[in-house]
Amino acid sequence: NAGVTQTPKFQVLKTGQSMTLQCAQDMNHEYMSWYRQDPGMGLRLIHYSVGAGITDQGEVPNGYNVSRSTTEDFPLRLLSAAPSQTSVYFCASRRTDLAKNIQYFGAGTRLSVL
Amino acid sequence: DAKTTQPPSMDCAEGRAANLPCNHSTISGNEYVYWYRQIHSQGPQYIIHGLKNNETNEMASLIITEDRKSSTLILPHATLRDTAVYYCIVRVATGGSQGNLIFGKGTKLSVKP
Repeated sequence: NAGVTQTPKFQVLKTGQSMTLQCAQDMNHEYMSWYRQDPGMGLRLIHYSVGAGITDQGEVPNGYNVSRSTTEDFPLRLLSAAPSQTSVYFCASRRTDLAKNIQYFGAGTRLSVL
Repeated sequence: DAKTTQPPSMDCAEGRAANLPCNHSTISGNEYVYWYRQIHSQGPQYIIHGLKNNETNEMASLIITEDRKSSTLILPHATLRDTAVYYCIVRVATGGSQGNLIFGKGTKLSVKP
């Protein structure tokens, strides 16, 4: 049982390049989300999904796209990378059918945009 | 959304109990108190949560005041591996956007030998 898997672990981009951060979970969780964390800050919610085919914006969605075609995968796309998107990105998942709100996080993707 | 207030940093001696406070004076009746921690650049890790009663698991204990306006996370015998940022979050326990976790800056706990 791998939990939440994020790839790549590290990435360096040039301004204007595009890329996709991958997130996969094997726990059959309905809810998945993406956060970014800047130095010395807490995590901020970018996008989330409560099930396949359903996505919604979080606190800081600009510059990012998501889709949820399967329960397992929730990729995050940077359309045109900017230096302000240099950050650590975390993906998380949880169940929605229990009276709990326990999220499981991936190990993160460290992104630098030059 | 209920907001939380935590001290920015705390120190604790190895082997002693670490008591991390959290104020949440605007908590609603259906909101739980959650604690997560983040060990140096890793993904956050769930610790414990509670509604009204005190809770204990293999990692920690959670003490919630009777008026629910504050709580304390207790690590009974802190080790060096407990050095981390601890986040106190107040949210509902349901699915959907109401259950989105909102992270503040947390408390940086330093456990010293």
